Amino acid sequence: DTGVSQNPRHKITKRGQNVTFRCDPISEHNRLYWYRQTLGQGPEFLTYFQNEAQLEKSRLLSDRFSAERPKGSFSTLEIQRTEQGDSAMYLCASSRQGFNEQFFGPGTRLTVL
Amino acid sequence: DAKTTQPPSMDCAEGRAANLPCNHSTISGNEYVYWYRQIHSQGPQYIIHGLKNNETNEMASLIITEDRKSSTLILPHATLRDTAVYYCIVRDPTEGKSTFGDGTTLTVKP
Repeated sequence: DTGVSQNPRHKITKRGQNVTFRCDPISEHNRLYWYRQTLGQGPEFLTYFQNEAQLEKSRLLSDRFSAERPKGSFSTLEIQRTEQGDSAMYLCASSRQGFNEQFFGPGTRLTVL
Repeated sequence: DAKTTQPPSMDCAEGRAANLPCNHSTISGNEYVYWYRQIHSQGPQYIIHGLKNNETNEMASLIITEDRKSSTLILPHATLRDTAVYYCIVRDPTEGKSTFGDGTTLTVKP
């Protein structure tokens, strides 16, 4: 247990539905990251926050994806109008700004039927 | 695209040292080398990182060549629980993202 928690751990939804995932980082970490991982691939960067500011977004983050970190603590990742291609493990990580390693949560596995 | 190249798979006998190589020939001066591992269905776990000096912690040792174009992660006495996918990443720690490749699947055999 790294101290980063994600909820839910598993989510099954039907195509076209909206889903929201939550990440609670390690409390003193001001950076929070979202990654997506499909079977057999390494994690792919989606976006990251420093405190409440979203500093970078990947091209993978289409208009249907939105992430927030309203008070600089927990973060949510919402996917609107889900597609089967969105099926993946969504990973959250946190770190202190600077030279420190990223600590990953257990992930949320999304299955879109 | 990933900035590192790793062999897709390796085997190691239990109790022996596991040496996992990584090539990062385009590494820049302010990029560190980080190693993570991922056991099936879990999030990646940080192992170790370094800039140019060799590093050791309770989990592993990291050997970085003098020209910094490659590195080796050493697990000194591999156990069955070390079976995992190992990722080598180069990253400027002042930047946000980490770019993962497909890693090396290490299988420790009894």
